[in-house]
Amino acid sequence: RKEVEQDPGPFNVPEGATVAFNCTYSNSASQSFFWYRQDCRKEPKLLMSVYSSGNEDGRFTAQLNRASQYISLLIRDSKLSDSATYLCVVILTGANNLFFGTGTRLTVIP
Amino acid sequence: NAGVTQTPKFQVLKTGQSMTLQCAQDMNHEYMSWYRQDPGMGLRLIHYSVGAGITDQGEVPNGYNVSRSTTEDFPLRLLSAAPSQTSVYFCASRRGRDYGYTFGSGTRLTVV
Repeated sequence: RKEVEQDPGPFNVPEGATVAFNCTYSNSASQSFFWYRQDCRKEPKLLMSVYSSGNEDGRFTAQLNRASQYISLLIRDSKLSDSATYLCVVILTGANNLFFGTGTRLTVIP
Repeated sequence: NAGVTQTPKFQVLKTGQSMTLQCAQDMNHEYMSWYRQDPGMGLRLIHYSVGAGITDQGEVPNGYNVSRSTTEDFPLRLLSAAPSQTSVYFCASRRGRDYGYTFGSGTRLTVV
């Protein structure tokens, strides 16, 4: 079983829509969580960390559900520029490395 | 800050050739890693390092070597290139265990 699983999409949404992605992780010892954004033919870039209490950055909200072992990313008022692949990332307690999901592709349509 | 710098950006190799992908970071990060990214497979860890002189294998280490003689540099060596190594390679660094990675802009490698 993969450490991190994401729905690959694609998600095609109209401009202004709200869209949510979930990402499940298999190891309950996971302790740190992130969302990354990757544009076509570019490197992944850190979008936001995910904190236990949930956190918000402008139109983006990240949440963590430890009981069900998933993290989520909510994008409100989608912009064309939000079109990208969103990767969730998990770090296990005591582990030296990160586990990446395969990414969810979002296309925002005019 | 330049962040993480990878060279070259593009490379074409013939089967059997060897080469080194360069990676340097100027953020004084202890942790560095090499990933390859292939369509439909996501990012797969090749090798990683938790400090100068310390390296370890990741998920797909075969055919690659690394060394970490300084905090700044973490080169990846392809010993004898094979078409299966055609991929996009990303180097990344991070401050410590609980931090996310900063990625370089990638090297697109084609082996013919």
